[in-house]
Amino acid sequence: TQLLEQSPQFLSIQEGENLTVYCNSSSVFSSLQWYRQEPGEGPVLLVTVVTGGEVKKLKRLTFQFGDARKDSSLHITAAQPGDTGLYLCAGARISGAGSYQLTFGKGTKLSVIP
Amino acid sequence: GAVVSQHPSRVICKSGTSVKIECRSLDFQATTMFWYRQFPKQSLMLMATSNEGSKATYEQGVEKDKFLINHASLTLSTLTVTSAHPEDSSFYICSAMKRGGEQFFGPGTRLTVL
Repeated sequence: TQLLEQSPQFLSIQEGENLTVYCNSSSVFSSLQWYRQEPGEGPVLLVTVVTGGEVKKLKRLTFQFGDARKDSSLHITAAQPGDTGLYLCAGARISGAGSYQLTFGKGTKLSVIP
Repeated sequence: GAVVSQHPSRVICKSGTSVKIECRSLDFQATTMFWYRQFPKQSLMLMATSNEGSKATYEQGVEKDKFLINHASLTLSTLTVTSAHPEDSSFYICSAMKRGGEQFFGPGTRLTVL
């Protein structure tokens, strides 16, 4: 089983502050995806990182894939109350059947206080 | 975009009955769909991989006779929870995979077994 350690599990910050969420594994993934999930809804894909060392920016969100493709981080600048939600990282690997499978981290529950 | 729908969004049933959940990719064809289960305050756990035209591949510990999966077409996969019991109550989420490995998730189905 390829474990994906995500930290912190809970994060409560004031509006305007910066934060970083980490996703670490001892295994190499072909790609890594970040999702955001609202209560009672399915996860929504934010970004996919594929290349080691890759950095992608999505407005105030910056995603980085480690050089060895074993870890990733999500950095949010000047957090807003609308950023509140559950953030999930998921590592993709090719299964024995040849399809991609995702291994999810436990998630980071972010609360941004106005 | 990539839209995945699930039906029903919420179902309440009596113990011993069977419940069918549908997952559809609305604007793309998906040869592979996945079924996940999510307990409160926990991450997504992969139950099975559904391949169009072939038998599903189940994760360890998931009973294939209890969770019947049928991937009848490139846009539809169904999960039937047979003889449901209260411990089967959970949030069931499907995803459909696009070429390249990205998964897009449905909105989920909340199952409550009384």
